[in-house]
Amino acid sequence: GQNIDQPTEMTATEGAIVQINCTYQTSGFNGLFWYQQHAGEAPTFLSYNVLDGLEEKGRFSSFLSRSKGYSYLLLKELQMKDSASYLCAVMDSNYQLIWGAGTKLIIKP
Amino acid sequence: NAGVTQTPKFRILKIGQSMTLQCTQDMNHNYMYWYRQDPGMGLKLIYYSVGAGITDKGEVPNGYNVSRSTTEDFPLRLELAAPSQTSVYFCASARDSHNEQFFGPGTRLTVL
Repeated sequence: GQNIDQPTEMTATEGAIVQINCTYQTSGFNGLFWYQQHAGEAPTFLSYNVLDGLEEKGRFSSFLSRSKGYSYLLLKELQMKDSASYLCAVMDSNYQLIWGAGTKLIIKP
Repeated sequence: NAGVTQTPKFRILKIGQSMTLQCTQDMNHNYMYWYRQDPGMGLKLIYYSVGAGITDKGEVPNGYNVSRSTTEDFPLRLELAAPSQTSVYFCASARDSHNEQFFGPGTRLTVL
């Protein structure tokens, strides 16, 4: 079966750095997406990785290792507005997204 | 550009009633999707479309139907509502299968 695993909840302090991990087992791989979802709102796109390595975009970075079926999202200089759920999604061999349940990130002052 | 719009925002249905969730995008995207999101679960794909006149089932299509008569619109039909269909429904669109998906604001549906 297809499976995406990520921690249910994480807590971090304003100004700090946090790493949210995602491991996956899917039928085929055509890329991995990270989305941010604030409570009661729609998901919004953060990053896309299809090759191994680190992609940096401002305060957010995303890493992929295809051989390990592993990705992480790194958030630096945390701000209160970063309190949200972070969704990992893998595009399978049918070009459909398989979604993790999301990691709820709580930022404390 | 309005992006992806969905109506209604909220709806309460009685068991056995029918309704259509509307979705419209103004980005001229070929790909459109319907997802449901239940608490503590990942988004589940209900139906998708790769262009006008073409639709296909996703992971959880039972109890739903779709049509795609134009590029812009992708309505989702619930024929006989059941409590198991209580969920938040998101419509999304993308330029193609490899691109980011843009989501509408969602419809919160409760079936009692």
